[in-house]
Amino acid sequence: GAVVSQHPSRVICKSGTSVKIECRSLDFQATTMFWYRQFPKQSLMLMATSNEGSKATYEQGVEKDKFLINHASLTLSTLTVTSAHPEDSSFYICSASWLAQETQYFGPGTRLLVL
Amino acid sequence: GENVEQHPSTLSVQEGDSAVIKCTYSDSASNYFPWYKQELGKRPQLIIDIRSNVGEKKDQRIAVTLNKTAKHFSLHITETQPEDSAVYFCAASKGYSSASKIIFGSGTRLSIRP
Repeated sequence: GAVVSQHPSRVICKSGTSVKIECRSLDFQATTMFWYRQFPKQSLMLMATSNEGSKATYEQGVEKDKFLINHASLTLSTLTVTSAHPEDSSFYICSASWLAQETQYFGPGTRLLVL
Repeated sequence: GENVEQHPSTLSVQEGDSAVIKCTYSDSASNYFPWYKQELGKRPQLIIDIRSNVGEKKDQRIAVTLNKTAKHFSLHITETQPEDSAVYFCAASKGYSSASKIIFGSGTRLSIRP
């Protein structure tokens, strides 16, 4: 149980375009989803926390207008990187959890390369 | 906010020996401490966790200890095997009744020498 999927697994795009990444909880209802980014050989940095049906809470230093997060249902959250630039190239990972459960279950990640 | 420090950044041990990774946290309100293993290009996998009402927890070759007073927690892997080679992250969270954000340490790259 507690399976989380992400799509796409990798994406290459041109600078200035927008990219949408989907995170789905396959066998449970995720009341909370988290988005992280991870640079090579570094730790996971929390970008934002999203609760179903409400606006995401962004961490300090993360631009909410650049990284749009939507959590419209209990099984789906999306992260849209708007007007992507090469410095946005990274490994983006989502995780999901539900009420009364501290454990987060991670998706397989999306590798974004912006040319 | 919470800050989690992790040492060492890299660790190389002989196969069969033990490995110890240490972490400290800053927020005394943190009460949940998971450890994740991440292989190259893959998702983090939860390997063990401990809550603040427990001082030690063991699962086969893996054990975790927690010292709330000192705000230290450690991961111990005994009888290491080649498949233990990976990056290990400690983390801290204040979640109990609801999911709460997890703050990760900087990671330890563990290499097991044959």
